[in-house]
Amino acid sequence: GQQVMQIPQYQHVQEGEDFTTYCNSSTTLSNIQWYKQRPGGHPVFLIQLVKSGEVKKQKRLTFQFGEAKKNSSLHITATQTTDVGTYFCAGRMIDNNDMRFGAGTRLTVKP
Amino acid sequence: DSGVTQTPKHLITATGQRVTLRCSPRSGDLSVYWYQQSLDQGLQFLIQYYNGEERAKGNILERFSAQQFPDLHSELNLSSLELGDSALYFCASSVGQGNTIYFGEGSWLTVV
Repeated sequence: GQQVMQIPQYQHVQEGEDFTTYCNSSTTLSNIQWYKQRPGGHPVFLIQLVKSGEVKKQKRLTFQFGEAKKNSSLHITATQTTDVGTYFCAGRMIDNNDMRFGAGTRLTVKP
Repeated sequence: DSGVTQTPKHLITATGQRVTLRCSPRSGDLSVYWYQQSLDQGLQFLIQYYNGEERAKGNILERFSAQQFPDLHSELNLSSLELGDSALYFCASSVGQGNTIYFGEGSWLTVV
């Protein structure tokens, strides 16, 4: 079936280090969304990418959508303890419009 | 506050029992989604409704069922509960199909 794979599952970094999570789909996506879930909280929408090769930035966060619209990445520069949480990608399948979440990457940051 | 309301927030019940989780979507949102999140697990998509009709079905067990009512609120029914059904159940809503999904705070279900 259609899947959205996300790696790594866990990432532990020292504060100030960079962090990247990757998302890959088995099928072409019409768009991809990123969500952040803080410990004990619920997923919160961060951003949506729609265009092939699109790059968007939010302060220290950089989001990319691949040229083939099958992969995406989220990069955090100089992590802070407030970045702790699980980051989910969610891809909307171009053929049936279904949205599929990746398994998430849990980020922990050591002060 | 996302605008999505879920009740109850916490629920403890015994194996074999049946529970109903309730969700009120954001005002104006026609799509309602249900997700299951077990401890340290990702979001497992269960089912989606759009304007009262089932739109997509994920990994939802036959013991589980859901519906969306004319006023657009939704209920997730879990029956013959097993220990493994213990999880956080999220409801989410969106305006349509390709829009941002807003999550509720979840309903914690513990089966003992």
